[in-house]
Amino acid sequence: SYELSQPLSVSVALGQTARITCGGINIGSKNVHWYQQKPGQAPVLVIYRDSNRPSGIPERFSGSNSGNTATLTISRAQAGDEADYYCQVWDSSTAGVFGGGTKLTVL
Amino acid sequence: EVQLVQSGAEVKRPGESLKISCKGSGYTFSSYWIGWVRQMPGKGLEWMGIIYPGDSDPRYSPSFQGQVTISVDKSINTAYVQWSSLKASDTAMYYCARSIVPGGKGWFDAWGQGTLVTVSS
Repeated sequence: SYELSQPLSVSVALGQTARITCGGINIGSKNVHWYQQKPGQAPVLVIYRDSNRPSGIPERFSGSNSGNTATLTISRAQAGDEADYYCQVWDSSTAGVFGGGTKLTVL
Repeated sequence: EVQLVQSGAEVKRPGESLKISCKGSGYTFSSYWIGWVRQMPGKGLEWMGIIYPGDSDPRYSPSFQGQVTISVDKSINTAYVQWSSLKASDTAMYYCARSIVPGGKGWFDAWGQGTLVTVSS
């Protein structure tokens, strides 16, 4: 089965750049999607197909994907960006799969 | 406005059956896949399965195959997930979400508010 690995936590200073990684075997050949989930709320899509932003998502959110690692980058981090972030792909052996999630703390 | 509205919280005993629902509005329901995602208390998201209202043919994650049944009634724009015999380990928040990509191979661009299922004796 296909597995995705994310760091449990990432910290970033207010106004700096946060990078959250999502590792998987040859993930660069897959489409990666990213979700933000704040406490007590449903997830929200922030990046789809590696690097595309849905309407309403700030340009500060960007994504990349190559080799065995996909990355969600949050520029000029704000207090409101504190949340759990999940990557997701589709794999023929596993169907849909999510990474374990990363808790972003803005200091 | 696109909305997915889920049924309310449930408290059940082990061994009981349950069916929860997800009603779509504000878009052409039959044009999007509806998926289900589990989130156990304090844990991450788990992809359960997905269904297309057009043909009612569900696809399941291997982890959930045989554990739940996903169905849809396109006449009332509603998708369901059901259990025939609940276990304490089914205690979780369950989200529905929609996807435009065929076969469940894509992203979820809109989510329901979640249905909390508690299974306890």
